[in-house]
Amino acid sequence: DGGITQSPKYLFRKEGQNVTLSCEQNLNHDAMYWYRQDPGQGLRLIYYSQIVNDFQKGDIAEGYSVSREKKESFPLTVTSAQKNPTAFYLCASSPGVAGVPSYNEQFFGPGTRLTVL
Amino acid sequence: AQTVTQSQPEMSVQEAETVTLSCTYDTSESDYYLFWYKQPPSRQMILVIRQEAYKQQNATENRFSVNFQKAAKSFSLKISDSQLGDAAMYFCAYRSAQGNQGGKLIFGQGTELSVKP
Repeated sequence: DGGITQSPKYLFRKEGQNVTLSCEQNLNHDAMYWYRQDPGQGLRLIYYSQIVNDFQKGDIAEGYSVSREKKESFPLTVTSAQKNPTAFYLCASSPGVAGVPSYNEQFFGPGTRLTVL
Repeated sequence: AQTVTQSQPEMSVQEAETVTLSCTYDTSESDYYLFWYKQPPSRQMILVIRQEAYKQQNATENRFSVNFQKAAKSFSLKISDSQLGDAAMYFCAYRSAQGNQGGKLIFGQGTELSVKP
């Protein structure tokens, strides 16, 4: 089945640790996104990538890093510089190609719940 | 910068009745897309309906329809014949049509909808 997978489902981090959240898609989508969800605040954009080997900061990029070495993968690293990382993290992808009927639609993965111990 | 506002943190509806969720947005752009996403307790984001700003006709998807008022920058979601499975968090989202915006979504804070049997 085509879709987006995120792993792990639950992740625990100790103070001072870096952790990496995985996001993989087999939809052949060009664009990929990372969002953070906190209670009462909706989703906020962390980073996004429109093509391989290129990515841009979103609204809350501080304390996070990403890479886009392959079209299907867009891992997010939560560094120790992120002071309040406890949240639900959602990865999404989009065709990114005008003319495709769903090109302006984003498809979401199931999410990763990160908790700081 | 664009903003999206959902002024109803919680809404409740009786099963089989109709409910309307409100969304307003602020933008200086003339071409954009608007979306309603549903997030059930599983936390999987599901696209409910989308509207292209250049289209005057309101979008409909089965029991879901929107009232798009471009001049008023309003985008409400109407759910008819509400079902227990409609209970979820609903997010309104904005996407610029400008290519340099990367296709990112800007979300409102969400409205928690409960359905009473």
